[in-house]
Amino acid sequence: GQNIDQPTEMTATEGAIVQINCTYQTSGFNGLFWYQQHDGEATTFLSYNVLDGLEEKGRFSSFLSRSKGYSYLLLKELQMKDSASYLCAVKDSNYQLIWGAGTKLIIKP
Amino acid sequence: NAGVTQTPKFQVLKTGQSMTLQCAQDMNHEYMSWYRQDPGMGLRLIHYSVGAGITDQGEVPNGYNVSRLNKREFSLRLESAAPSQTSVYFCASSERPSGANVLTFGAGSRLTVL
Repeated sequence: GQNIDQPTEMTATEGAIVQINCTYQTSGFNGLFWYQQHDGEATTFLSYNVLDGLEEKGRFSSFLSRSKGYSYLLLKELQMKDSASYLCAVKDSNYQLIWGAGTKLIIKP
Repeated sequence: NAGVTQTPKFQVLKTGQSMTLQCAQDMNHEYMSWYRQDPGMGLRLIHYSVGAGITDQGEVPNGYNVSRLNKREFSLRLESAAPSQTSVYFCASSERPSGANVLTFGAGSRLTVL
């Protein structure tokens, strides 16, 4: 079956760096997405990786290793507003999105 | 630019009641979809549409019907609600369903079925 694994919950300190991991086993691969989800608000796109390597976008970076079925989202200079759930999703060979259950990130002052 | 608008935000139903969740997007997107999100699980696709009048089933379609009368609007109907349909529902749209197209989500509709 197809599976996306990410930690259920993580805690980090304001101003620090946190890495949220995502491992996947899917039928084919056509890209990996990271989304941010705040309670009661629209889920928003953060990053897209289809080739191996690191994509940097401001305080957020995303890394992909297709051979290892592994990605991570790196958040630097954490702010209280970064407290949210982070969803990892993979597009399989049929371009269907397979979603992880999300990682709830708690930022402490 | 409103993006994707879902209504209602909250709804409580009794078992057997019916209701329709409304979704509208103002980005001229071809693709629209409905997801449900349950604790400890990833988003699961209920139904999707690639254009007006064209709909198809996703991963968990049973108990739900959809309608796409025009490009803007995509509604989800529960004909006879069951407690197992208690969930948070998200509407999402994109330019096309394939490739790197990014989904734009609504803020969600929290449904409780008693």
